[in-house]
Amino acid sequence: EVQLLESGGGLVQPRGSLRLSCAASGFTFTTYAMNWVRQAPGKGLEWVSGINGGGDSTFYADSVRGRFTISRDNSKDTVYLQMNSLRADDTAVYYCARCLFIRAPYFDPWGQGTLVTVSS
Amino acid sequence: EIVMTQSSVTLSVSPGERVTLSCRARQSIRNNLAWYQQKPGQAPRLLIYGASTRATGISPRFSGSGSGTEFTLTISSLQSEDFALYYCQQYNNWPPTFGQGTKLEIK
Repeated sequence: EVQLLESGGGLVQPRGSLRLSCAASGFTFTTYAMNWVRQAPGKGLEWVSGINGGGDSTFYADSVRGRFTISRDNSKDTVYLQMNSLRADDTAVYYCARCLFIRAPYFDPWGQGTLVTVSS
Repeated sequence: EIVMTQSSVTLSVSPGERVTLSCRARQSIRNNLAWYQQKPGQAPRLLIYGASTRATGISPRFSGSGSGTEFTLTISSLQSEDFALYYCQQYNNWPPTFGQGTKLEIK
């Protein structure tokens, strides 16, 4: 069974940092690109970042470029999102999601999400 | 980025009815459109990709159609478990973008 399990969310102060992890299982990890998609409380979905299977191509939404860094460790079947300079509007549930083609991403499946709250 | 517009924020429908949800792209996205279902407290689930291809394990009650800028998701004979939020998403242009969602509620 394909599973994605996020961790690392929590409460952080504005301008602080946090690293999210997403552990994958049940599929050949390197075959797939991985993404982070977020959902602010009561709001819609926003794609945040993506990385190809080899880990050498990364992509970011304008809203996070320069502050967030996506990476993956294919030996551990895990993708990460390093979030720096966090702002209140980064508060959201962050989902990890798989896609086959990083340049034509539709997302299946999604993890259960991890909540990031940026507040003083 | 491409703006995706779902014409209805909320639709009130009775169980057993057929319902059609709409999604419009500001410019052509060919057939590079996906639909997701999200229930309260859960992650989204892929229903349709390529505008009309059902994802693995998705009931034939769900069907998608459209191309270019106009798309629809049809649910035939609504079941209780179908009352949820539905999002469309384009992946033709970078970055991928979502509609604002349509909530299906019980009438």
